[in-house]
Amino acid sequence: GENVEQHPSTLSVQEGDSAVIKCTYSDSASNYFPWYKQELGKGPQLIIDIRSNVGEKKDQRIAVTLNKTAKHFSLHITETQPEDSAVYFCAASYSGTYKYIFGTGTRLKVLA
Amino acid sequence: ETGVTQSPTHLIKTRGQQVTLRCSSQSGHNTVSWYQQALGQGPQFIFQYYREEENGRGNFPPRFSGLQFPNYSSELNVNALELDDSALYLCASSLRLAGIDNEQFFGPGTRLTVL
Repeated sequence: GENVEQHPSTLSVQEGDSAVIKCTYSDSASNYFPWYKQELGKGPQLIIDIRSNVGEKKDQRIAVTLNKTAKHFSLHITETQPEDSAVYFCAASYSGTYKYIFGTGTRLKVLA
Repeated sequence: ETGVTQSPTHLIKTRGQQVTLRCSSQSGHNTVSWYQQALGQGPQFIFQYYREEENGRGNFPPRFSGLQFPNYSSELNVNALELDDSALYLCASSLRLAGIDNEQFFGPGTRLTVL
């Protein structure tokens, strides 16, 4: 069935260092891959997304890469700041279904 | 532009009761999806509504039902509540145009506790 694996489950980095979170999806028909940031007591907030016709996308300190052959996609955060601390979720969807399959989340802690 | 809003923010029910959760979609959006997020887990897709009809359903029993209204707001109803229904229920709205799926924007969620 459809599945998205996400690693690591927790990640601690020093302020200013980079953080990388990786996801693997099972459905080769997936063509849209959003990343969400969820802070305590809040709903997920879309931070960046990528479609299957693009290999990489960057927005300031955040970038996402996609390897369709390996069915991997990754979130890269550079120059991390304490306010980046949150739970990050990857998701995959296929435009025909419109439903998102989420990973299990990564708790990122940025240590000052 | 107003974001996605949900009500209530918190709710406590007892096993066997029924509950209705409400969602107002973001201005300009015509599609609403509902997700269940258990503690420490990623959101799980329940179903989606487009043009007031269910447009896809995840692996949830029929006691989970919904509605979408002409103004695109939506309700999630859960009958015969079970302890495992305790979770954060998230509503996400999006704009569907010519078969193209666009980004889903989430509300803050309703925390349901079943005792």
